[in-house]
Amino acid sequence: AQSVTQLGSHVSVSEGALVLLRCNYSSSVPPYLFWYVQYPNQGLQLLLKYTTGATLVKGINGFEAEFKKSETSFHLTKPSAHMSDAAEYFCAVMGENQGGKLIFGQGTELSVKP
Amino acid sequence: KAGVTQTPRYLIKTRGQQVTLSCSPISGHRSVSWYQQTPGQGLQFLFEYFSETQRNKGNFPGRFSGRQFSNSRSEMNVSTLELGDSALYLCASSLAASGNIQYFGAGTRLSVL
Repeated sequence: AQSVTQLGSHVSVSEGALVLLRCNYSSSVPPYLFWYVQYPNQGLQLLLKYTTGATLVKGINGFEAEFKKSETSFHLTKPSAHMSDAAEYFCAVMGENQGGKLIFGQGTELSVKP
Repeated sequence: KAGVTQTPRYLIKTRGQQVTLSCSPISGHRSVSWYQQTPGQGLQFLFEYFSETQRNKGNFPGRFSGRQFSNSRSEMNVSTLELGDSALYLCASSLAASGNIQYFGAGTRLSVL
């Protein structure tokens, strides 16, 4: 069964600093990988989606993620953090023929210090 | 285009009661998925409906059920509520096929007293 691990339940960065949120998936390569963001009292918003063949995926709000099969990782980065990036971030996978079923990591709460 | 709409936004119930939550998907989306979000267990998949049929089910007791109507709107029902059912329930819709992006509603916050 597919699984996702997010390293670090809480990450704190200074405004303008690099954001790096870590995500590792189970060894069988999933067809689909996602990063979602959740602001307080809101639902989830898609940041980006990986599909087979890509290595660097660009998303919204300056975020991007690099798929590394050798490391079973799909880490999310942003070169320069903004105060508005403070939120909870979720990595998720969806298996082939598992339409509608996302398996989420535990989430990483990002704090941005002025 | 309107997004995914969940009603109500907040709900307070007592143990033993039953509750029904509603989800209206984005127009044209035929797949609706439900998730439970709690601080302890995180985001967990409940079930997914496509064309009025349950296509996928998570590992939840039979007290959790759902259905989908011909207009793709979906409801989920929880019977005999327990304190542990207190959670944010999120609904997501997508076009159909596996791998399609899921678009989430704002959720229904259920508190069981």
